[in-house]
Amino acid sequence: ETGVTQTPRHLVMGMTNKKSLKCEQHLGHNAMYWYKQSAKKPLELMFVYNFKEQTENNSVPSRFSPECPNSSHLFLHLHTLQPEDSALYLCASSTQGARGYTFGSGTRLTVV
Amino acid sequence: GQQLNQSPQSMFIQEGEDVSMNCTSSSIFNTWLWYKQDPGEGPVLLIALYKAGELTSNGRLTAQFGITRKDSFLNISASIPSDVGIYFCAGQPAGGGGGYQKVTFGTGTKLQVIP
Repeated sequence: ETGVTQTPRHLVMGMTNKKSLKCEQHLGHNAMYWYKQSAKKPLELMFVYNFKEQTENNSVPSRFSPECPNSSHLFLHLHTLQPEDSALYLCASSTQGARGYTFGSGTRLTVV
Repeated sequence: GQQLNQSPQSMFIQEGEDVSMNCTSSSIFNTWLWYKQDPGEGPVLLIALYKAGELTSNGRLTAQFGITRKDSFLNISASIPSDVGIYFCAGQPAGGGGGYQKVTFGTGTKLQVIP
């Protein structure tokens, strides 16, 4: 248990489905991140939220829609995904002065 | 943009052997971080380095912040089966970006230990 909790751990969805990934941290961190991890590719930063305001969107397709209602919770809403979106989606949090990020265990997403 | 080249990409070693991996950057970083990712889990921070030339240990792990500030090294001594996983370097430039951290990750070194 790292302090960053992601649910669900595994998700299989059809291309026409709508689903959401959830991330929760109670570390008192102010920044939260979504990363995508595909096989044989570097970690790809998707979104950054700082004090619940979006500060970065790395040209992510609109079929991924993030939501950050407060500094402790982060969601990633998914709709009409493609098979190539299958990956491990990692949430992380950080605070200024802390060492790097604290990651969650990830959600393994499979789009069929 | 900044890129981190991590090598080797993968390695198979015998239990008990020492392991070395490195990371090089096209840009200077103020902080170097090393993470380990176990299968099916998220990366976990192993070692953080803050000063050029710094050498820091965490058990059997030793990492160094290169003098040029463009590279870093991780060594694992006397490997054991639970060392299996993917090791990521990460670099962080100066400045907090207003309260959040911009970290660039390497491509990872996949380590497999043969008992």
